[in-house]
Amino acid sequence: RKEVEQDPGPFNVPEGATVAFNCTYSNSASQSFFWYRQDCRKEPKLLMSVYSSGNEDGRFTAQLNRASQYISLLIRDSKLSDSATYLCVVNNPNTGNQFYFGTGTSLTVIP
Amino acid sequence: ETGVTQSPTHLIKTRGQQVTLRCSSQSGHNTVSWYQQALGQGPQFIFQYYREEENGRGNFPPRFSGLQFPNYSSELNVNALELDDSALYLCASSPQGTLKGGETQYFGPGTRLLVL
Repeated sequence: RKEVEQDPGPFNVPEGATVAFNCTYSNSASQSFFWYRQDCRKEPKLLMSVYSSGNEDGRFTAQLNRASQYISLLIRDSKLSDSATYLCVVNNPNTGNQFYFGTGTSLTVIP
Repeated sequence: ETGVTQSPTHLIKTRGQQVTLRCSSQSGHNTVSWYQQALGQGPQFIFQYYREEENGRGNFPPRFSGLQFPNYSSELNVNALELDDSALYLCASSPQGTLKGGETQYFGPGTRLLVL
């Protein structure tokens, strides 16, 4: 079983739409959670960390459900510039401090 | 920009050859991690270096090896290249790679390796 599972999409949404991505992780000992964004042929860039209490950064809201072992990302009022691949990332320091990435969810925002 | 740099940006090699990729970490960061990203996949952890010592390794064979230097820059070496080694190789630095974990990692632009 993969450490992190994501729906690869693609998600094609109109400008202004609200879109949600979910991600599940298999190791209950995981302690740190992130969403990274990756543009085509570029490196991943940190979008936001995910905290148990949930956190918001402008149009982006991240939630963590430890009991169900899933992480979500909500994007409101989608912009064309939001088109990218969104990577769910989990860290478990008991396994050598490595980051586990999902395969990514592709989002295209259509004019 | 993250301040993490990698060289070269692109590389073409043939099967059986050896390759060395380089990474300079962001100023103030003492930890470097290397990842392999195949087309359509998420990055896969290769290994991490903290203060010149290996601090964790993913599921990669011994022909993948690395080094970290006193200035915290790092090298990834791959021997006996195989066709499946064709991928984007990403280096990421973080401020502190102790066993605490969970530090945000900042990625360089990557080296795109093609093995023919």
